[in-house]
Amino acid sequence: GENVEQHPSTLSVQEGDSAVIKCTYSDSASNYFPWYKQELGKGPQLIIDIRSNVGEKKDQRIAVTLNKTAKHFSLHITETQPEDSAVYFCAANQLGGNQFYFGTGTSLTVIP
Amino acid sequence: DAGVIQSPRHEVTEMGQEVTLRCKPISGHNSLFWYRQTMMRGLELLIYFNNNVPIDDSGMPEDRFSAKMPNASFSTLKIQPSEPRDSAVYFCASSLRGGGEKLFFGSGTQLSVL
Repeated sequence: GENVEQHPSTLSVQEGDSAVIKCTYSDSASNYFPWYKQELGKGPQLIIDIRSNVGEKKDQRIAVTLNKTAKHFSLHITETQPEDSAVYFCAANQLGGNQFYFGTGTSLTVIP
Repeated sequence: DAGVIQSPRHEVTEMGQEVTLRCKPISGHNSLFWYRQTMMRGLELLIYFNNNVPIDDSGMPEDRFSAKMPNASFSTLKIQPSEPRDSAVYFCASSLRGGGEKLFFGSGTQLSVL
């Protein structure tokens, strides 16, 4: 089955700096890659996703890049703010498949 | 839309008691997932329904766990009897068609079994 690895497990950045979280996957059949943000006491919230026919996608301060050849994808947050502090999860999924394979999460702390 | 709605938000019970967790998916979504989240194991898929039919329950840990989806707008996850190792946050999630579609999570039920 699919195996998703996520790094780093914890990340601290100064407010205004950029943060990058990386994930790798093992199954070349995976073609949908969402990212979730989970704040304390809340459920994971979808913040951005990318499909394998696209190499990059941006939404304001958040961007995701995908390298299908290397089987890795990354979340980039620019101009970080304290409210970006949360746990971020990546996931991999196959179109037509029900299983979402989640990474182990990255705890991001933005220091004011 | 109100999103995926779960109840209760918190549940504290004693070992051996029956626990029932409830979920209302987003209207129009026909795929529903139950996940369990712990520090040790992260997010684990317990069971998945498509059009109210259980498709994959291979993640259900034991016979003590059961899930039902009697209609498109309601699902339950039952643990009977509960054990301390069942303590975790249980999430319900729904999507439009399952794989390859955006998955939306509820706020979760924090379960503590004493």
